Amino acid sequence: QSVLTQPPSASGTPGQRVTISCSGSSSNIGSNHVYWYQHLPGKAPKLLIYRNNQRPSGVPDRFSGSKSGTSASLAISGLRSEDEADYSCAAWDDSLSGLVVFGGGTKLTVL
Amino acid sequence: QLQLQESGPGLVKPSETLSLTCTVSGGSISSNSYYWGWIRQPPGKGLEWIGSIFYSGSTYYNPSLKSRVTISIDTSKNQFSLKLSSVTAADTAVYYCASPRLSGYSPWFDPWGQGTLVTVSS
Repeated sequence: QSVLTQPPSASGTPGQRVTISCSGSSSNIGSNHVYWYQHLPGKAPKLLIYRNNQRPSGVPDRFSGSKSGTSASLAISGLRSEDEADYSCAAWDDSLSGLVVFGGGTKLTVL
Repeated sequence: QLQLQESGPGLVKPSETLSLTCTVSGGSISSNSYYWGWIRQPPGKGLEWIGSIFYSGSTYYNPSLKSRVTISIDTSKNQFSLKLSSVTAADTAVYYCASPRLSGYSPWFDPWGQGTLVTVSS
């Protein structure tokens, strides 16, 4: 059971805009930045979004992140076949001794 | 450009110690610009943070794993390592090494290694 809650799956057709949600609590998303990662099978996970809505260099502007209260979202516009992957959110959690927490991951299928 | 690569046994027996190494290329493990960390993903489950280390030796561990985890650094080989003791089937996972940005407690990991599957079975 992951601390951050994501839908297990999402889908869209090429060109569409899809969003993936990440729900947490006041001790993690509510008070800390959110990060998003893309995993392609057999490849190293890749940082997509840092500090809620910042894109590293090289990440297309089709990817965007937002945060409101204790929830965050990753939006992918102009969906492409190569976007088919698993997406995970992450945040710092202030509870107890503190730790990094992740979402359970969302498998995005491009139909 | 920083690159990370995990290595180690793919099969570990229950109750034994899992040992993995991450080799760093494209940068010095002794740099005060970088932290080094481990994350794992059990089959069908989400990612789990294991812990991180700074070149000085300062470590940061997931409280739920702290009693069984040791992360260390070997500056002469530009490598850092993970040891997880008393493993059970629940420790079966793909283990990733990664570089957390800014601090050992950061969820900002960039880059990551490709990951290595470790199965705990007799």
